[in-house]
Amino acid sequence: ETGVTQTPRHLVMGMTNKKSLKCEQHLGHNAMYWYKQSAKKPLELMFVYNFKEQTENNSVPSRFSPECPNSSHLFLHLHTLQPEDSALYLCASSQYPGQGNSPLHFGNGTRLTVT
Amino acid sequence: GENVEQHPSTLSVQEGDSAVIKCTYSDSASNYFPWYKQELGKGPQLIIDIRSNVGEKKDQRIAVTLNKTAKHFSLHITETQPEDSAVYFCAAVMDSNYQLIWGAGTKLIIKP
Repeated sequence: ETGVTQTPRHLVMGMTNKKSLKCEQHLGHNAMYWYKQSAKKPLELMFVYNFKEQTENNSVPSRFSPECPNSSHLFLHLHTLQPEDSALYLCASSQYPGQGNSPLHFGNGTRLTVT
Repeated sequence: GENVEQHPSTLSVQEGDSAVIKCTYSDSASNYFPWYKQELGKGPQLIIDIRSNVGEKKDQRIAVTLNKTAKHFSLHITETQPEDSAVYFCAAVMDSNYQLIWGAGTKLIIKP
């Protein structure tokens, strides 16, 4: 496989559930990102990992918990979410840290619906 | 903080015509301006970018122009085709180590 792969593509969960989103990049990149995409709004950066170390947490509620076990894999653990958390969650990677240094490569996203 | 405004939110053009999407930014120190295209069911993909030391960049049917004085940059697509239908996002960043600040997106519809 090539590029950035996200699973699952769709996820429906209740507010009391615990689930995880998975992202894997096959590009040999050193930085990985989680973004939230809501309709007609700018992409919201949630977390940044450079060389497996978290370097950004953009005031994201603790019900979202990221994990980066190695430079190729990124997880987003979800628990006790709210309906307003329903959105498309995008994973991205870049060769170098710093979003102005090298292009972002995005996965196709996980469409999350919280009921 | 940095802010990026993108217009229009929706643009409908006849196949073969040109399309122009405009973005303005607030921080005059911004120096890198990428454009991403997001097709239905896919993640955004970089299509062209420009740095503040140039005023225009072209790649086949797409071009980007930058006016640093007015703090705005534009995406131009000529001879539009059905596969150009997508949502286009502009972004700006002040420094390569800072976060991209994104526009809200423009849905481009190409009418046959």
